[in-house]
Amino acid sequence: NFMLTQPHSVSESPGKTVTISCTGSSGSIASNYVQWYQQRPGSAPTTVIYEDNQRPSGVPDRFSGSIDSSSNSASLTISGLKTEDEADYYCQSYDSSNQRGVFGGGTKLTVL
Amino acid sequence: EVQLVESGGVVVQPGGSLRLSCAASGFTFDDYAMHWVRQAPGKGLEWVSLISWDGGSTYYADSVKGRFTISRDNSKNSLYLQMNSLRAEDTALYYCAKDNGDGYNSYYFDYWGQGTLVTVSS
Repeated sequence: NFMLTQPHSVSESPGKTVTISCTGSSGSIASNYVQWYQQRPGSAPTTVIYEDNQRPSGVPDRFSGSIDSSSNSASLTISGLKTEDEADYYCQSYDSSNQRGVFGGGTKLTVL
Repeated sequence: EVQLVESGGVVVQPGGSLRLSCAASGFTFDDYAMHWVRQAPGKGLEWVSLISWDGGSTYYADSVKGRFTISRDNSKNSLYLQMNSLRAEDTALYYCAKDNGDGYNSYYFDYWGQGTLVTVSS
């Protein structure tokens, strides 16, 4: 089964740039779109990136997404970090072999 | 405005059954697939199930297949999850989520409810 692996946690200072990786276990991560969701404590997830690199309206352009086929990974990059960006971030795609949704394990971003 | 409101979460004993509901509004419900996603306390997100826009196709995570049944009533703009043979590891906040694809399954969850808590404990 297709799986997505993320680092458990990352930390960076305000104003800096951080990149969170999401590595596919098999096949090509580029075969299906990857989404990124932000989840703050006590709240439902919200989308920050969809279809690999698209931002929903209202999401600042400090958030960007990309795919690297050579490493079979997706990345979420947040520039100009703000304390309000502190949250859990999940990558997500789906396994087309069995039509099942797949989430990465989540990455806790600390901005300090 | 899209709204998804889950209900039905309670404390239930191991081996018991429960039906969750999700009331949808603010969009044409029968144009979109719907999903259930769960989150155990302090853990990550886990996709549970999908039902296509017309109810004709359903898919499940291995962890719930054979025990859970997803269904929908498009006349009532409602999504359901029948949960049988519940286990302690099913304890989680259960979210319903709207699929972004208009008439197809995109597996991009563009709107989420606030979740309903299911606790399986004796």
